[in-house]
Amino acid sequence: EVQLVESGGGLVQPGGSLRLSCAASGFNFNEFWMSWVRQAPGKGLELVASMMQDGTEKYYVDSVRGRFTISRDNAKNSLYLQMNSLRAEDTAVYYCARGPLGVVVITTAYWYYDFWGRGTLVAVSS
Amino acid sequence: SSELTQDPDVSVALGQTVRITCQGDSLSTKYASWYQQKPGQAPVLVIYGKNNRPSGIPDRFSGSSSGNTGSLTITGAQAEDEADYYCNSRDTSGNHHAFGTGTKVTV
Repeated sequence: EVQLVESGGGLVQPGGSLRLSCAASGFNFNEFWMSWVRQAPGKGLELVASMMQDGTEKYYVDSVRGRFTISRDNAKNSLYLQMNSLRAEDTAVYYCARGPLGVVVITTAYWYYDFWGRGTLVAVSS
Repeated sequence: SSELTQDPDVSVALGQTVRITCQGDSLSTKYASWYQQKPGQAPVLVIYGKNNRPSGIPDRFSGSSSGNTGSLTITGAQAEDEADYYCNSRDTSGNHHAFGTGTKVTV
């Protein structure tokens, strides 16, 4: 059974730092892209960062680039998100998700995130 | 801002059919994936690709595409289908995966 368990969230002051962790189990972690997706209170989903299997390719949403760093330890089946210079607008539930998984053939292209953790709440407030 | 636009709210009577749409330029060449999210819970993948359902997703959920619009259809909506639904796809530049604005479905 695939499981993703986030940890590390909490209350932090503006300008502070937090490190989120995602412990993966039930699949070959080193074979999949992994991502962090967040959801601010009462708002929609936002992809924050993604990382390729071997870490050679990373993606960040513009609003966090330069402040957040995604990383992974394939030996420990773990994904991380180092969050620095936190702002009030970073307040959200942060989900760890497996993916994007992608299929690109001649006439078909699609991507998806097939498993999600339960999330960890990050609150940035003074 | 999201490049994928959804209607904010949709209502459906119990047992009836509802279609949720997702509009975006990228969808003319790419299929959307769809996620169901109930209050206080993590999103769950319900449709991906042309019309693929993960294991455990009821067959009343189906996907389709036309032009720059992707659709998720619930045929015979049940009370447990009441949730927020989000689409997702890669944007036109191919560098960014965007989620739609979300649709709240009331049964």
